[in-house]
Amino acid sequence: KQEVTQIPAALSVPEGENLVLNCSFTDSAIYNLQWFRQDPGKGLTSLLLIQSSQREQTSGRLNASLDKSSGRSTLYIAASQPGDSATYLCAALNNNAGNMLTFGGGTRLMVKP
Amino acid sequence: EAQVTQNPRYLITVTGKKLTVTCSQNMNHEYMSWYRQDPGLGLRQIYYSMNVEVTDKGDVPEGYKVSRKEKRNFPLILESPSPNQTSLYFCASTPHWGTEAFFGQGTRLTVV
Repeated sequence: KQEVTQIPAALSVPEGENLVLNCSFTDSAIYNLQWFRQDPGKGLTSLLLIQSSQREQTSGRLNASLDKSSGRSTLYIAASQPGDSATYLCAALNNNAGNMLTFGGGTRLMVKP
Repeated sequence: EAQVTQNPRYLITVTGKKLTVTCSQNMNHEYMSWYRQDPGLGLRQIYYSMNVEVTDKGDVPEGYKVSRKEKRNFPLILESPSPNQTSLYFCASTPHWGTEAFFGQGTRLTVV
């Protein structure tokens, strides 16, 4: 059964810093991996989706990479801003798991002005 | 605006009183799912549906029912809620299998 882990659970950085959020998974038979942002009292917003055949995806200041062989994905945030403060979740979709996304526990990010 | 809409957003109920949380999407997506989010346990899938009249269990289906009579709607039914079903519930939809998932705003349910 797929297990997804995100370390650290919380992170606090000063504004302007480049940062990396980590996501690891135990079963490499994934179809894709998706990164989400969750704000308090709001739903999940999709940030990036990486197919298993891809190495990385970029959207603005965000870059997500995927290394299936090592069971890792990273989300890189460039020039962080206070508005980036939120919980970031990664989720893996496996080939043999119906339509179930397996989520990590999330990294709670605070960017201080 | 393309969206997934859940209602109600907040609900407090008593043990054993049947309730329904509605979910509707306006994007003509094939797949819809329900998840619950609990501290320390993260998000776990309850049920999902591949299309009208086709549903299947997720990771934690006990105590829940779903139906998919129309493509746009996927209600979550708790026939006899219990306190351990107190949680934050999310509905999600995807155009097809393996594509980007869109989530609703969440329903915070408290069962006393």
